Order: sequence, then structure tokens, then C-alpha cells
Amino acid sequence: GQQVMQIPQYQHVQEGEDFTTYCNSSTTLSNIQWYKQRPGGHPVFLIQLVKSGEVKKQKRLTFQFGEAKKNSSLHITATQTTDVGTYFCAGYRGSQGNLIFGKGTKLSVKP
Amino acid sequence: DTEVTQTPKHLVMGMTNKKSLKCEQHMGHRAMYWYKQKAKKPPELMFVYSYEKLSINESVPSRFSPECPNSSLLNLHLHALQPEDSALYLCASSQDRGLGYEQYFGPGTRLTVT
Repeated sequence: GQQVMQIPQYQHVQEGEDFTTYCNSSTTLSNIQWYKQRPGGHPVFLIQLVKSGEVKKQKRLTFQFGEAKKNSSLHITATQTTDVGTYFCAGYRGSQGNLIFGKGTKLSVKP
Repeated sequence: DTEVTQTPKHLVMGMTNKKSLKCEQHMGHRAMYWYKQKAKKPPELMFVYSYEKLSINESVPSRFSPECPNSSLLNLHLHALQPEDSALYLCASSQDRGLGYEQYFGPGTRLTVT
């Protein structure tokens, strides 16, 4: 079945450094969503990418969807301590929309 | 109101107990979900309700029994659980099922089975 793989599993950065997490699928994705889960919290929707090659920005966050719609990335510029958390990509399985989460990348930011 | 609420926040139960988790949303969403999340793992889909009908059961053991009394409420009835069922149970909702709908998650119920 469809799998969504995400790397790295952990990333430790100094505040102000950049951060990137990558998501890869074994099959073409109809769309991909990104969620953030703060420590002790619940997943919160960040963004959805639908079009091949799509790039979306939210302040310091840049999201990309690959041309083949099999991979995606989230890049954070100049990390801040408020960026701490686990970032999940999630793709849909089938046409009815069962969301399959990647394993997540846990980001820690050292002030 | 873009909030999904869940009660209780924490639950400790023995293996012979029967308990229920509750979830509520007032966003008019027609799809509701139960996820299980173990520590350091992603959420795993358990059940999907669409228009108050169960549409997906991801091979979940029968000791977990979902119920959707109306379009705003979702329950998860627990009976004869095992210690390995200890986890964070997340409820989520979306405007509808299908591609393209973002999911709104509740804060979860942290369940410990002793």
C-alpha cells in the first residue's frame, strides 16, 4: 500500500539556522498536507499542496510539492524557539481520503 | 468556532473496565475520525465516520467500539483493553471526506491501561 516516508527523524538546530524536512511517497500523491504537533499538543494543519511543482510560503515557512507529485519538503528559514515540535507530512490513500501520516521530523531549537 | 473538544483529557482504566471517550465539534463538519498515537509515532487512523455512518474501520480490535450519535458528537467505547492500548487518542473532523479537506484535531485523551 501507499507509504509516506519522511526524513530526517530528528533535527537539532541552533536558533537562527535553517531547517528542512523531506517527505517521499512510493506512489503519486493527489495532494499532500503538512501538520505541526507541539510537544504535548495535537496536530495542527499548516498547509495543503495540490499542484505539481507548487510552492507556498507562510512567513518563514516554505512548502514545495515535487514535479512528479511524489515528494514534498518544508523549509523553515531562521528558526525560532517557537518552531519546536514535530512536523508531519500526510498524503491521502485512495479517493475517499484516508490520511496517511509520515513518521514526522522532530525539530528542537537551541536558543 | 474552529475547535474540536475531547473529554476526558486523561483516563486511567483497568483491563476489566468499560469507559468512553467523547469528542464534539460545532463546525458543521460531516466527517469525523478517531486516531491512535503512540509516543514518538504518527497518528494512526482507527475509524472514519461520514455523515454519521461508519465508513472506515482500519482493522481495529472489537474492544474499541465507535459511535456517532449525531453530526456533532463522536464516542469511542472501550472495553477489556490491554496495556498496549495505552496511547493518546485523537479525534478529528473535516468538512467532508475525500481529498483536499484539512482535518481539525482535538487535544486528545491520554489513556493509560493498567
